[in-house]
Amino acid sequence: AQSVSQHNHHVILSEAASLELGCNYSYGGTVNLFWYVQYPGQHLQLLLKYFSGDPLVKGIKGFEAEFIKSKFSFNLRKPSVQWSDTAEYFCAVNPYSGAGSYQLTFGKGTKLSVIP
Amino acid sequence: NAGVTQTPKFQVLKTGQSMTLQCAQDMNHEYMSWYRQDPGMGLRLIHYSVGAGITDQGEVPNGYNVSRSTTEDFPLRLLSAAPSQTSVYFCASRPGTGTNQPQHFGDGTRLSIL
Repeated sequence: AQSVSQHNHHVILSEAASLELGCNYSYGGTVNLFWYVQYPGQHLQLLLKYFSGDPLVKGIKGFEAEFIKSKFSFNLRKPSVQWSDTAEYFCAVNPYSGAGSYQLTFGKGTKLSVIP
Repeated sequence: NAGVTQTPKFQVLKTGQSMTLQCAQDMNHEYMSWYRQDPGMGLRLIHYSVGAGITDQGEVPNGYNVSRSTTEDFPLRLLSAAPSQTSVYFCASRPGTGTNQPQHFGDGTRLSIL
């Protein structure tokens, strides 16, 4: 079965600082990768996804992520954060095929607090 | 377009009571799923369905039942509520069974078991 590890539980940044949130997964085969964001009191929304092609993917609100297959990583980045980026961020993975492909596995999440 | 609709938004139960959390989607999605979200645990898959009449267990299925009689609806049943089931529950759906399709989430049901 697949698993996801997010390195940071809580990240605190000042506005305009750069952001990088780590995500590593464990699975031996081809995977689909996702980053979701949950603003306070709201449901999860998709930020970006990767399933094939260019390993650098761009999402909404200026976020991007890089898939490094050799490191089993899918780190989320943003050059300059805003107060409105305060939220919890979840990395998720599901296998491309096989028995686990119907099960999307989430990391435990990283809370981002941006100080004005 | 309503997307994924969950009812109720909040519920308080006593230990041993039963309850059904409702989930409906109007996007004709084949795949639907239920997650629970607990602090510091992320989201964990309870049950999922790949189409009407087909359901399967996720990571934490114990204490929960599901059924899928129509494409639109995927209710989650707690037969005998326990305090350990206090959580926020999210229903999600995605088009077809394509694994690269993102899931669309409902607004959640906050459930407290006393």
